[in-house]
Amino acid sequence: EADIYQTPRYLVIGTGKKITLECSQTMGHDKMYWYQQDPGMELHLIHYSYGVNSTEKGDLSSESTVSRIRTEHFPLTLESARPSHTSQYLCASSEGQGAATNEKLFFGSGTQLSVL
Amino acid sequence: GESVGLHLPTLSVQEGDNSIINCAYSNSASDYFIWYKQESGKGPQFIIDIRSNMDKRQGQRVTVLLNKTVKHLSLQIAATQPGDSAVYFCAENTAGGSYIPTFGRGTSLIVHP
Repeated sequence: EADIYQTPRYLVIGTGKKITLECSQTMGHDKMYWYQQDPGMELHLIHYSYGVNSTEKGDLSSESTVSRIRTEHFPLTLESARPSHTSQYLCASSEGQGAATNEKLFFGSGTQLSVL
Repeated sequence: GESVGLHLPTLSVQEGDNSIINCAYSNSASDYFIWYKQESGKGPQFIIDIRSNMDKRQGQRVTVLLNKTVKHLSLQIAATQPGDSAVYFCAENTAGGSYIPTFGRGTSLIVHP
């Protein structure tokens, strides 16, 4: 069982609200990721981090921000939520450092976000 | 652009049958492939992986086959059980890029008792 935790598990909010989705891992992994996933669909990379003070944009990053102040913590913030943000958000981490391809990702259980 | 995708969105099998889930990839430089299983309400979990210098790898009840010539990956599940019902994703990673894996669309496996 992976030691990566996401809160809240479910969130219903109104349009225009600022929200932060929390993700923490206790495995000491350097790399962390945020994915957005609609039901039965592929995972879209939003942001990722190679380690502390490193943040990189993925495919769907333009409406959200992340920070990586501590190794174990990688929160995702939506400054102004919209109905189009309704989706499941998955956080993951992997052990590798920088240039490594043979890495397994460990995923949290996700946050299901509904924006009304 | 490069993409990883799955041939079939849904696969229905009878309990006890063998299941084969397929995945096509387009990046000839891909050198590492992973299969993940995602059960309802959970995040994806690692099942099995394979490097590009191999064409077959076996785990417990699962086998991954890699055909680099046609850029095709498959996951075989032997004696499929109801607990195998889930969405299965293939993912690939490529040396020299961002070293961030790319996921395919997913195949939903439904096992009928």
